[in-house]
Order: sequence, then structure tokens, then C-alpha cells
Amino acid sequence: GNSVTQMEGPVTLSEEAFLTINCTYTATGYPSLFWYVQYPGEGLQLLLKATKADDKGSNKGFEATYRKETTSFHLEKGSVQVSDSAVYFCALSVGGFKTIFGAGTRLFVKA
Amino acid sequence: GAGVSQSPRYKVAKRGQDVALRCDPISGHVSLFWYQQALGQGPEFLTYFQNEAQLDKSGLPSDRFFAERPEGSVSTLKIQRTQQEDSAVYLCASSLRIDGHEETQYFGPGTRLLVL
Repeated sequence: GNSVTQMEGPVTLSEEAFLTINCTYTATGYPSLFWYVQYPGEGLQLLLKATKADDKGSNKGFEATYRKETTSFHLEKGSVQVSDSAVYFCALSVGGFKTIFGAGTRLFVKA
Repeated sequence: GAGVSQSPRYKVAKRGQDVALRCDPISGHVSLFWYQQALGQGPEFLTYFQNEAQLDKSGLPSDRFFAERPEGSVSTLKIQRTQQEDSAVYLCASSLRIDGHEETQYFGPGTRLLVL
């Protein structure tokens, strides 16, 4: 079946550090891949997405590249800010129907 | 414009009570999804509607869970005879339509249900 595995948190970084959150997936068919973010006290928001192999999704300085050969979609940001502190969810969807989420990775950024 | 709204935002129920959770999707969105998010976990799919048709209910955990969307807009998730394990955040999402891989789901703030 379809599933998503992402690195366990929490991840604690200092401001301006480089961020990587690993995500791998298993899927039948051709999934679309997503990163969602949940800021404290707020709902889930789509951060970025990629719909086919080798696509790069990007938003707010975050990037992730759809790697079919390694079934991965790692999230990166070159310089994190305190305001990036949140829970990040990797997810996939096949055919635009139900979305399968990873367990989430909590990020803390210290000033 | 307005996003997805859910009510109530918080619900405390005694074990055995029935509860009803409401979702107002973005106007014009054809597809509507319900998810359950346990504490410290990612959301898990419950059910999906396209207009008023419930096309997938494979994620509903038991026959105590029932969802409807009678006019293709507002949806209600009903849980009968609530149990403690039903305590979770219930998320609703909507998308404009189903069109291959392209659709983005927009999530509501969720209803936090606590069953005592």
C-alpha cells in the first residue's frame, strides 16, 4: 500500500542554520508529493508540491525535489528563521484522492 | 475569500454520547475530505465526497462513524456512542475538483474532540 516515512523529531536548529527533513515514500501508480506545515495554533497549510519525477517544489525559501529513483522528497531550506518553527508533514496523493501523511517532524528554531 | 471552516472548534463529550461535527468547504469546491489526527500523529484519511456522492469511506474506523453531504456543500461527520479512542482532531479539507494529480486540498482549522 501507499505510505510515507519521515524523520522523527524534534529537530532543533539555530537561526540561519541549514535545514533538511528527510521523507521517503512507497506508492503504487504515480503519486503527487506534498509538504504541509502546521504552525502553532493554526491549521494545516500546503507548503509546496511536486507532481512528477524530477519536479522541484519551492515556497518561502523551502525546496523539495521529487526523486523517483530513491523514492524521496526531502525538504530543505538554506537559512531557517525562528518563524519557521512548526510541524512539517510529508504527504502523497495518488490520482488526487485521499492524501497519505507522514507522522510529522517538529522543528524548533532558536534565536 | 473565506477558507474552510469547521464547527465546533472544541467538543467535550461523555463516553457513549453522539456528536456531530460540521464542515463548510470553500464555495464552489467539488471535493471534500475528512481526516482524523491523533495527538502527535499525521492526519489519517476517513472519507471523501465528490459533490454529494460519498466515493470512498474506507478510512472510517467503525460503523459508529457516518458522514454526509446531502446538498454537495456543507458536510457533517457524526460519531455515535463515542469512545475514548475517538478523541482526536477531526480535519476537513476541500478541493476545487478532482483532475488527475493537480488538485490542492485546503484544510480547515479542525475540531478537537475529547471523549471523557
